[in-house]
Amino acid sequence: DVKVTQSSRYLVKRTGEKVFLECVQDMDHENMFWYRQDPGLGLRLIYFSYDVKMKEKGDIPEGYSVSREKKERFSLILESASTNQTSMYLCASRTGTGSQKLFFGSGTQLSVL
Amino acid sequence: ELKVEQNPLFLSMQEGKNYTIYCNYSTTSDRLYWYRQDPGKSLESLFVLLSNGAVKQEGRLMASLDTKARLSTLHITAAVHDLSATYFCAAYMDSNYQLIWGAGTKLIIKP
Repeated sequence: DVKVTQSSRYLVKRTGEKVFLECVQDMDHENMFWYRQDPGLGLRLIYFSYDVKMKEKGDIPEGYSVSREKKERFSLILESASTNQTSMYLCASRTGTGSQKLFFGSGTQLSVL
Repeated sequence: ELKVEQNPLFLSMQEGKNYTIYCNYSTTSDRLYWYRQDPGKSLESLFVLLSNGAVKQEGRLMASLDTKARLSTLHITAAVHDLSATYFCAAYMDSNYQLIWGAGTKLIIKP
């Protein structure tokens, strides 16, 4: 089975802190994604990566950056956390071909105080 | 721009009843995905519909896709409490290879 692992299930940070969310997948998937999920808004794409060292902005990239130095790892960085970044963050991966089905990690619930 | 609308957004129903969740999308897409999310958990893939007329079934859930009507449905037959969850549909956008998500349907099935 595909496994997508997010490093933290819950995080509490203070306004202005730099926050790192880590995601690792074990299926050699080319594509990786970061979404945030807020009630009533569905999933919104923050950033995605088609391959190592490649990154593309999604729908809501402001206030975030990403890093993909290795194929299996995709990191989301909040440069200076703000209260409006309190959310559930979901990492996902998929192959670059075939059904394009996404496999999700268990999510990180981030609270910024 | 592709938009995806689900309805209803909230559904409370009794065990044993049948119901359908609708997923409309605004422009051409030939792939549609259904996911399930339990409270506090991540998303689990249910169905991938890859062509017009595709129908897939697993247990009490059946999904279908009509690309001409830009409509997918998720039908629940004889609902049981274990199916309580939030269900999301997502349409595939060919132009940038991304999924566009509906807002989700929160389904509560009462014993």
